[in-house]
Amino acid sequence: DAKTTQPPSMDCAEGRAANLPCNHSTISGNEYVYWYRQIHSQGPQYIIHGLKNNETNEMASLIITEDRKSSTLILPHATLRDTAVYYCIVDMNRDDKIIFGKGTRLHILP
Amino acid sequence: DTAVSQTPKYLVTQMGNDKSIKCEQNLGHDTMYWYKQDSKKFLKIMFSYNNKELIINETVPNRFSPKSPDKAHLNLHINSLELGDSAVYFCASRLTRASGYGYTFGSGTRLTVV
Repeated sequence: DAKTTQPPSMDCAEGRAANLPCNHSTISGNEYVYWYRQIHSQGPQYIIHGLKNNETNEMASLIITEDRKSSTLILPHATLRDTAVYYCIVDMNRDDKIIFGKGTRLHILP
Repeated sequence: DTAVSQTPKYLVTQMGNDKSIKCEQNLGHDTMYWYKQDSKKFLKIMFSYNNKELIINETVPNRFSPKSPDKAHLNLHINSLELGDSAVYFCASRLTRASGYGYTFGSGTRLTVV
């Protein structure tokens, strides 16, 4: 079973920031938080990951709470092309499998 | 281009046939995976290989046989195809034991068994 909990769906207006929450209350000390997204009919795409500190790259920002039990993915200026299913995953960077949950279906509204 | 590439992209075949899906990555990654996405859109791990060694073999019918001739290739052979095998199959790779590397997925192979 996936170790994360996400809302099944969210809406966001185009041009606004999309904030996608994720709960991972049983995360262990050496597990990273990864975010992927799957745009319709494509393979999942890596977005960002973090361990303890907040992270930012050209796609998104990742905010991890101090107790590491939850995190938020932020897409700063959502566009229609950001419509996708977003998966939050905890992973130890080993050759173990990663387990996908149901993710959050993000709808960007024009 | 650096990527994970799968062939074919679409595969339509009759029940009982045997088919193969090929996957290649030129990213220098050491671990490759096969995932299955069913009609309900759940992504489930099937197999993983690390440097040609089988690491993960989930509860998958033994009609499915992965083969890794080298660490850049992981092929999936399916014998005696059944209707329930219809799904999208994704190949993925990653560089393990190194922080900062997520999975890179291929674009998928849509298998339809009729």
